[in-house]
Amino acid sequence: GQNIDQPTEMTATEGAIVQINCTYQTSGFNGLFWYQQHAGEAPTFLSYNVLDGLEEKGRFSSFLSRSKGYSYLLLKELQMKDSASYLCAVNDYKLSFGAGTTVTVRA
Amino acid sequence: EPEVTQTPSHQVTQMGQEVILRCVPISNHLYFYWYRQILGQKVEFLVSFYNNEISEKSEIFDDQFSVERPDGSNFTLKIRSTKLEDSAMYFCASRQGGSTEAFFGQGTRLTVV
Repeated sequence: GQNIDQPTEMTATEGAIVQINCTYQTSGFNGLFWYQQHAGEAPTFLSYNVLDGLEEKGRFSSFLSRSKGYSYLLLKELQMKDSASYLCAVNDYKLSFGAGTTVTVRA
Repeated sequence: EPEVTQTPSHQVTQMGQEVILRCVPISNHLYFYWYRQILGQKVEFLVSFYNNEISEKSEIFDDQFSVERPDGSNFTLKIRSTKLEDSAMYFCASRQGGSTEAFFGQGTRLTVV
């Protein structure tokens, strides 16, 4: 079975940093994706980790530890437009999604 | 930039009716998927399609569901006899290879009344 856990909600101030954690226990693993989803819209790709370590992509970074079944997404220099749901998804040639973390950015 | 397109954006149907949701994946992609998201819930995998056949399906994808790639460009999801609980956003996605990112269409909001 697939078990992917992430916090339900987080709130942060504009310009701050937020870290969204994701833990997983899945029957198969071929990498971990992070997607952003605004309400009523499709998920859009943010980052992908298949090996342990940190991947940096502008204001967004993602980390993976396969031995711990753990990943995080780091959002830096938060902007109001970053208010959205962030989805952790384990790749096993299909995507198994966590329930998503709703991030609210306040002025 | 290439994108996955889905039609219609919103469909309202009566319980028991058949619906067909349509998708045009990105042209050089090989793997195609349908996911659904019930309002307020997580995105759930329905089915994957590769090399003109279903490669994997979830428990949700029962005999009421079918997929087809009729003409080399379109990828359709048919629900034969809709139920109230089929009301959800349905996303089509495609990817080049098994380890690359999936690109999602904008979704079809299905409302069963």
